[in-house]
Parts: sequence; C-alpha cells; structure tokens
Amino acid sequence: DTGVSQDPRHKITKRGQNVTFRCDPISEHNRLYWYRQTLGQGPEFLTYFQNEAQLEKSRLLSDRFSAERPKGSFSTLEIQRTEQGDSAMYLCASSSADREGSPLHFGNGTRLTVT
Amino acid sequence: AQKITQTQPGMFVQEKEAVTLDCTYDTSDQSYGLFWYKQPSSGEMIFLIYQGSYDEQNATEGRYSLNFQKARKSANLVISASQLGDSAMYFCAMREGAGGTSYGKLTFGQGTILTVHP
Repeated sequence: DTGVSQDPRHKITKRGQNVTFRCDPISEHNRLYWYRQTLGQGPEFLTYFQNEAQLEKSRLLSDRFSAERPKGSFSTLEIQRTEQGDSAMYLCASSSADREGSPLHFGNGTRLTVT
Repeated sequence: AQKITQTQPGMFVQEKEAVTLDCTYDTSDQSYGLFWYKQPSSGEMIFLIYQGSYDEQNATEGRYSLNFQKARKSANLVISASQLGDSAMYFCAMREGAGGTSYGKLTFGQGTILTVHP
C-alpha cells in the first residue's frame, strides 16, 4: 500500500491559464474522489468515479472543470481559464470495499494558487 | 443549515491529558456514518475513527474513542493521553444514506485546531 499520490504538490498559475492535476489512487481501490479545500474550511466534495465511470458531480464543479479516469486507474482534474477563486487545495481520495465503514484514503493534495 | 457543526475553532490540552472535540450533525437519514480525520500542518488527511448510525457500541481505535449520542446528534471525539504529535486540525465528517456514491461523499465540518502543550 503506497498510498494515494498526487502531482504536483504545488501549482502557481496566472488567471486564465489551464491547469491539470493528477491522482494515482491505491492500486486496488476502484473508487476515486476529488475534493476541494479552501483555507480554514473542511474539504468539499467535487466528483466521484467508480472504475472509469464518473458517477456524480457536485454543483461546485463548474463547466470549467473536467475530471477523467481513463481505464479506471489514475485520474486527472483539469481547470480551464482559471480564476482567483479557484485557489485552493485539491484533494484526491480513494476507497475500496463497498461497505459503509470503508474510509477514504486521501493524498497530500495539490495546492493551487491563481495570481 | 450546517450539516456538521464543530463549535470549537481551537482547543488546548496538556500532554498526557485527555481532550474532547465536539461534533454535532444534522440529517434526516436513518442510515449514516460519522468519521473523524486528522490533518497535520503537512496537509494529508488521516482517517482516525468511524461510527455507523446503527452501531450500538461507541467506536474505539487505540487512543481515540467516539462518544456517540444519537438522540442528541452528537459524535464527539475523545483523545486520551494526548501526545505532542496530536497537534493538528481535526475534522468531523458525515456520510448520509447507504450504498452508491454515499460511501465516499462526505460532508465535513469546519474543523478544530488542537494544540498539545508539553
């Protein structure tokens, strides 16, 4: 179990640029989640994949956001035309067993700063 | 209305003492789950403990225990014998419903910063 890996750890970009983040879940986990955490707040749910299928998207995920999980392995989260309000920590998590107590295992996150 | 409320922005505790971090929740679902996570300054979210709504016993994991009072809709985290390494942000989170995406769709509170003094 090597844990959930996210890349990059930090990203600074100028407003209007596109950015893409990558998440590698724990290998045997078929469920993958993206959350966003702003300073001083708890994480907020963005989207969820079971294998390669994106099964739910939060209304927080505007049209500028797109997430993929090709082949049900790693996932990418792309933000187009970034805005200063997109500055946040983007957390990826994965989980395995389809049972209620199965915890989410989080990565270390990608901290995005939009200038 | 807030689904998860953590009323203590910050808490201080002396090393080796016990501390209770408060969490109240709001849901109309009969089936739900409550989680506590720890987030050190390094940023990773570390799972601590889980309590299901139908669990009759309070959950325990090592030095962590969850004081679950269903009628009061509270799920307080108790940390016994605090250590300096316990200094971190602590989040209470809730999963509502059962099955499907509900297992990973958590609603988090705003967190409590715990500082352990030597």
